[in-house]
Amino acid sequence: QSALTQPASVSGSPGQSITISCTGTSSDVGGYNYVSWYQQHPGKAPKLMIYDVTDRPSGVSNRFSGSKSGNTASLTISGLQAEDEADYYCSSYTSSSPVFGGGTKLTVL
Amino acid sequence: EVQLVESGGGLVQPGGSLRLSCAASGFTFSIYAMYWVRQAPGKGLEYVSGITSNGGSTYYASSVKGRFTISRDNSKNTLYLQMGSLRAEDMAVYYCARGPYSSGWHAPRNWGQGTLVTVSS
Repeated sequence: QSALTQPASVSGSPGQSITISCTGTSSDVGGYNYVSWYQQHPGKAPKLMIYDVTDRPSGVSNRFSGSKSGNTASLTISGLQAEDEADYYCSSYTSSSPVFGGGTKLTVL
Repeated sequence: EVQLVESGGGLVQPGGSLRLSCAASGFTFSIYAMYWVRQAPGKGLEYVSGITSNGGSTYYASSVKGRFTISRDNSKNTLYLQMGSLRAEDMAVYYCARGPYSSGWHAPRNWGQGTLVTVSS
């Protein structure tokens, strides 16, 4: 499976909103409502932020939201905070194996 | 609380073997699919291998197929990854992760802290 496509980097100022895209195909992102998003701080394990496109695990801030249109899923972070600076990865279900995006580095200016 | 604790990482020579273990607690291990995911230094995440709850189905990334073997012991709540013919490009932090269901290759919900595998002579 080919990796999903994410922008290498995005940035925003505190209080602003940013959106990270994750583009796949009809065999992964577009074919199922099973897209997840992970946040990873340096030296730490990934943390699940969004699953099944729009659902948030207990304890995750409601500043994080997910959506999908066609073959592209998106993660939006509103009210940007310094602690949101991290790498973000999307992942999608496929019938043969799950697949990750290449990751996006979020910089809070 | 879900806990996944990896062990078994370390320094190994090219061509060598290593077995990783993942001790699970805080949930019913036997009803969830499990994964090994790795991250090379400065790189992104890569699914290495997955196994269904009863061990009846597995998958492997093309980069490790034929060299790595995933297994689980539901009586010991432990996941394993037997790695052989190790190459420099296998050097990474290896994470154990829990899927949300017993089968189907859905993205993991819970992750361990990882164990570092270094391949070098």
